[in-house]
Amino acid sequence: AQTVTQSQPEMSVQEAETVTLSCTYDTSESDYYLFWYKQPPSRQMILVIRQEAYKQQNATENRFSVNFQKAAKSFSLKISDSQLGDAAMYFCAYRSGGSGGYQKVTFGIGTKLQVIP
Amino acid sequence: ETGVTQSPTHLIKTRGQQVTLRCSSQSGHNTVSWYQQALGQGPQFIFQYYREEENGRGNFPPRFSGLQFPNYSSELNVNALELDDSALYLCASSLDPGPSYEQYFGPGTRLTVT
Repeated sequence: AQTVTQSQPEMSVQEAETVTLSCTYDTSESDYYLFWYKQPPSRQMILVIRQEAYKQQNATENRFSVNFQKAAKSFSLKISDSQLGDAAMYFCAYRSGGSGGYQKVTFGIGTKLQVIP
Repeated sequence: ETGVTQSPTHLIKTRGQQVTLRCSSQSGHNTVSWYQQALGQGPQFIFQYYREEENGRGNFPPRFSGLQFPNYSSELNVNALELDDSALYLCASSLDPGPSYEQYFGPGTRLTVT
């Protein structure tokens, strides 16, 4: 079974600074997807960024980028120029890429990000 | 385009009772997944429905059951409620159950069992 580990329960960052959230995962599969989701106090889970395991290039979405190290099974999220609206719970998540299956997503326990004005 | 909606927002039930939670998928989406998120935890996969059939299930007992209707909206039913069932229940819809299709989450239903 796949597992996702987030070892930072809470992180804080000054507004406009950069912060990195860590995530490691365990799997025996070679085809999979990795995600970072944001869950603000409103509770709605929002996709921040996703990475296909077969792609060597790290995904980037505006101020959000990942450092995907497949051999080390590490998937960290970097938030640049942090904004007050970035404050939320961030979940790292894994999904198998095999065809014919279902979309079971395995989530980590989350990291609470605080942005200090 | 209407996003994923869930009802009710909150509800309180007594141990042993039964509850039904509802989810309306995003327009055009035929796949709905349900997750349970206990306080301070990440969401855990309960099951997924595709075109009215359950096509995948996580480690949840049979008292967690579901339905998907022809319009692809869905219900989650929980029988014989236990205190540990208190959680935020999230549903997510997607265009297809294939792995490359993004899931869009609803705002959740907060269930409290007393």
